[in-house]
Amino acid sequence: GAGVSQSPSNKVTEKGKDVELRCDPISGHTALYWYRQSLGQGLEFLIYFQGNSAPDKSGLPSDRFSAERTGGSVSTLTIQRTQQEDSAVYLCASSSRLTSGSYNEQFFGPGTRLTVL
Amino acid sequence: GIQVEQSPPDLILQEGANSTLRCNFSDSVNNLQWFHQNPWGQLINLFYIPSGTKQNGRLSATTVATERYSLLYISSSQTTDSGVYFCAVYSGGYQKVTFGTGTKLQVIP
Repeated sequence: GAGVSQSPSNKVTEKGKDVELRCDPISGHTALYWYRQSLGQGLEFLIYFQGNSAPDKSGLPSDRFSAERTGGSVSTLTIQRTQQEDSAVYLCASSSRLTSGSYNEQFFGPGTRLTVL
Repeated sequence: GIQVEQSPPDLILQEGANSTLRCNFSDSVNNLQWFHQNPWGQLINLFYIPSGTKQNGRLSATTVATERYSLLYISSSQTTDSGVYFCAVYSGGYQKVTFGTGTKLQVIP
């Protein structure tokens, strides 16, 4: 089956514009994660969804960042009034939930490279 | 929050050599995962290992949860092993994920 997909693969935008990044998780995966990886840096957790709910939004860097998930599937990460420091690779991952309530391993998409000029 | 440290930060190996990468974490965790990020940026799953030892070909991993560390062993390294190796820990009731700082590995022919 298909893995996690993300679109667009690359996005160049001007400072102050809004952008939307899309993530299609693996079919049947109930958990979905967004991360950010700045140039040469590690991965920064942004937000986690279980179904359509986001129990933990603490990783979102500012109120310009928001995310939603609909139908327990596709998720959109929106960045409003983009700033140059938002330039990074945005990665999405998904995982399935076990009957015990714990989670299986995460699988990552290829990422969206965002450049804010 | 939980701290995750990886060592060494950088490693250069001659092809065919063995290596051990370490991941230390500061608090108890629910799960731990090792990834390889290839030079094209794709994160590839290696092991999902909250405790014990697992092996997959030339790679193996051991997590000692009670002592808060995990080790990734690479034997007979190949140039295709080059990239950055990350460990990630899962903690809390809703699977907060914290990544380590990574080990950048370069295998030279």
